[in-house]
Amino acid sequence: QKEVEQNSGPLSVPEGAIASLNCTYSDRGSQSFFWYRQYSGKSPELIMSIYSNGDKEDGRFTAQLNKASQYVSLLIRDSQPSDSATYLCAVNVNNFNKFYFGSGTKLNVKP
Amino acid sequence: DVKVTQSSRYLVKRTGEKVFLECVQDMDHENMFWYRQDPGLGLRLIYFSYDVKMKEKGDIPEGYSVSREKKERFSLILESASTNQTSMYLCASSSQNQQGGYEQYFGPGTRLTVT
Repeated sequence: QKEVEQNSGPLSVPEGAIASLNCTYSDRGSQSFFWYRQYSGKSPELIMSIYSNGDKEDGRFTAQLNKASQYVSLLIRDSQPSDSATYLCAVNVNNFNKFYFGSGTKLNVKP
Repeated sequence: DVKVTQSSRYLVKRTGEKVFLECVQDMDHENMFWYRQDPGLGLRLIYFSYDVKMKEKGDIPEGYSVSREKKERFSLILESASTNQTSMYLCASSSQNQQGGYEQYFGPGTRLTVT
């Protein structure tokens, strides 16, 4: 079983819609959760961090964490074509070297 | 802002050559990492370092070595490049934040082609 699981997609949404990206993790000791955005041919860029259960909002992005269900999600409101990228979920077990990445979900936002 | 830089964006080398990939971070981070990323395989950890001159093997260290002589610099060495080492190489650094977690920040990557 992989440490972090994501649907590879592609997830296609029309411009202006809400994109919902999901991630599950296996280690109940996980304490920190991250979403990275990666454009084709580029490196991952950290866009959201969340550490406690509930929602965390930053502009058009909302990260949601449910530790009991071992589930993390990222909502992108008013999706734009520029949001088209692969989104990587990552978890950290509060040890610098226990950092696990999912394989990513590809998002396509259609104009 | 955290800045992680890598010496080359694109590199073409011949089979058997010794290859050096350099990474520098400017945020005084203790921890540095080297990954490779291949289609369908995701990010795979090659080596990491938690202090100067300290290094630990990751998941796929075979064919690679590393050097960390200064805190800000972490080098990846391909002792004898092979075609199966053609990949995107990503350097990252991290430090503990106020919440007790470790956020990783990536450099721009080096696309290495071995012919």
